[in-house]
Amino acid sequence: ELKVEQNPLFLSMQEGKNYTIYCNYSTTSDRLYWYRQDPGKSLESLFVLLSNGAVKQEGRLMASLDTKARLSTLHITAAVHDLSATYFCAVDIGYSGGGADGLTFGKGTHLIIQP
Amino acid sequence: DAGITQSPRHKVTETGTPVTLRCHQTENHRYMYWYRQDPGHGLRLIHYSYGVKDTDKGEVSDGYSVSRSKTEDFLLTLESATSSQTSVYFCAISGLGAGQETQYFGPGTRLLVL
Repeated sequence: ELKVEQNPLFLSMQEGKNYTIYCNYSTTSDRLYWYRQDPGKSLESLFVLLSNGAVKQEGRLMASLDTKARLSTLHITAAVHDLSATYFCAVDIGYSGGGADGLTFGKGTHLIIQP
Repeated sequence: DAGITQSPRHKVTETGTPVTLRCHQTENHRYMYWYRQDPGHGLRLIHYSYGVKDTDKGEVSDGYSVSRSKTEDFLLTLESATSSQTSVYFCAISGLGAGQETQYFGPGTRLLVL
């Protein structure tokens, strides 16, 4: 059974600081997803990482994937209040015929960025 | 935004009542998914579909059934709703092949079973 663990589950930080969210998963997978969710809203796709060593950046967020360590990180640089949200990582259960059979999610990291 | 709609957006029902939730997409994507989101559990896969009439079970499929008779519609049925099925239900879609790995999520349906 695939398990996905995020830490921390709750993070309060100040604007301007840097921090990293970690996502560990228990079985081999080459696909790792990061999502953002605002309260009461749906999930917004941030990154899809498809290979070992993949790194993607968008604004103040950067995600990386180490498939050998079964670890992905989401790094926040010089945080701003607008980045306050819950962040989820998710891993493919498997893929057949070229598409994903579904995602296994971590429990999410609730991030609060204070002015 | 990916063209995904869910209906109804909110529903209150009673224990033992059958309930059907609808997911409709305008992207012509092959894969469709149903997840539920509960506090402390993140999102969990209920069922998914990899084509018309092709479906399979996910992690928490007990008490749920699905149908997909057209590419654009994926229905989730709670055969006899229970209070433990009170949740937020999200539909997601994804394509087939390179460059279409992203799963896009619909707006969600909030279901309360009394």
